[in-house]
Amino acid sequence: GAGVSQTPSNKVTEKGKYVELRCDPISGHTALYWYRQSLGQGPEFLIYFQGTGAADDSGLPNDRFFAVRPEGSVSTLKIQRTERGDSAVYLCASSPQLTGELFFGEGSRLTVL
Amino acid sequence: AQKVTQAQTEISVVEKEDVTLDCVYETRDTTYYLFWYKQPPSGELVFLIRRNSFDEQNEISGRYSWNFQKSTSSFNFTITASQVVDSAVYFCALSEIGGTSYGKLTFGQGTILTVHP
Repeated sequence: GAGVSQTPSNKVTEKGKYVELRCDPISGHTALYWYRQSLGQGPEFLIYFQGTGAADDSGLPNDRFFAVRPEGSVSTLKIQRTERGDSAVYLCASSPQLTGELFFGEGSRLTVL
Repeated sequence: AQKVTQAQTEISVVEKEDVTLDCVYETRDTTYYLFWYKQPPSGELVFLIRRNSFDEQNEISGRYSWNFQKSTSSFNFTITASQVVDSAVYFCALSEIGGTSYGKLTFGQGTILTVHP
């Protein structure tokens, strides 16, 4: 499809498990962002990639969270030793260059039991 | 630190009514971007508008209009003649300009708009 694709759309896991969330941005978009949205809240910035490198990871809550974008396209958000507080919708967005206009995917809903 | 406040948690209107969504922001930056995004039930945020802080002209796009007032740090959004399809959560957001700040948005908590037929 032409939009930002995120998989899985839903993930239920147990506390302490490892989780990977994938984002496939719009073709040709060099900037890629991860946000987290808790119930009833606005999205919160996690990390931003320009090409393959993380240009700003100041929003990652702790060292259990890590993200990669090895070839400058698909990105994976990795969460180790999940906690119940990690339950949220994880949104990915991409942007052509640095416009500030973000194209969001439908998100991956993570539930940690 | 940046902050965006959307004081209206929920608004309910009847179709064809006009509705205004309020947004107040705080920032120490002298230049910044302001945004509005729409989040329909599908969950995918949709970009509506970006406004540069040194352009205070109001903007109209069809039934949508935006009123930016730097003096009161507000960026309000009005939907004229609302329709059922306008029902969604609307987010106001703010970002710095430059460097790695593009796309690093600070969002408000959102306003749930319900338009009844």
